[in-house]
Amino acid sequence: SQQGEEDPQALSIQEGENATMNCSYKTSINNLQWYRQNSGRGLVHLILIRSNEREKHSGRLRVTLDTSKKSSSLLITASRAADTASYFCATDRYNNNDMRFGAGTRLTVKP
Amino acid sequence: NAGVTQTPKFQVLKTGQSMTLQCAQDMNHEYMSWYRQDPGMGLRLIHYSVGAGITDQGEVPNGYNVSRSTTEDFPLRLLSAAPSQTSVYFCASSATSGEETQYFGPGTRLLVL
Repeated sequence: SQQGEEDPQALSIQEGENATMNCSYKTSINNLQWYRQNSGRGLVHLILIRSNEREKHSGRLRVTLDTSKKSSSLLITASRAADTASYFCATDRYNNNDMRFGAGTRLTVKP
Repeated sequence: NAGVTQTPKFQVLKTGQSMTLQCAQDMNHEYMSWYRQDPGMGLRLIHYSVGAGITDQGEVPNGYNVSRSTTEDFPLRLLSAAPSQTSVYFCASSATSGEETQYFGPGTRLLVL
């Protein structure tokens, strides 16, 4: 079964607004990663947050991790039309070599 | 560096046919994996390898075989294709399992009739 579950499934906002996506997972993890997928393309890594970290920033991206609630959020500030894509969280489960992805959040940013 | 390459880009098979999806990386990564992505769903792990000669099953391994004879190559074999295997297949690699960024190939779109 999928390890991560993203919420919402779809999000539509205007350019310039912030977009927040959430990810919940089920088992203990070593780290959590966020990826972006443009339509018909492969996934592109955005950011990795380790289980002992609570918040991480990269440009317009802010990721938080709450291991007690087994959840993470991805915030994209000042969104652009080019941010339109699907966003996936992936977890590296503790003591396990495989990575599990959620079903993704489909973000649409209207110009 | 070419990164992660996959061939073919698109393939049509008849039920029962076999084929091999190729994946190669030139980054000297130890960890390689295969995923399938179905419409509206995330990626599901088929098989992965933590180094040459070592492979293991992921979430949905049935109907697929892999081998890892070299660090660079990680082919995925469909022994007897079924319509349920119609999907987009992605290969990925990373320096180590999970601790590093995974680099994805462009995908192979497979249609089984």
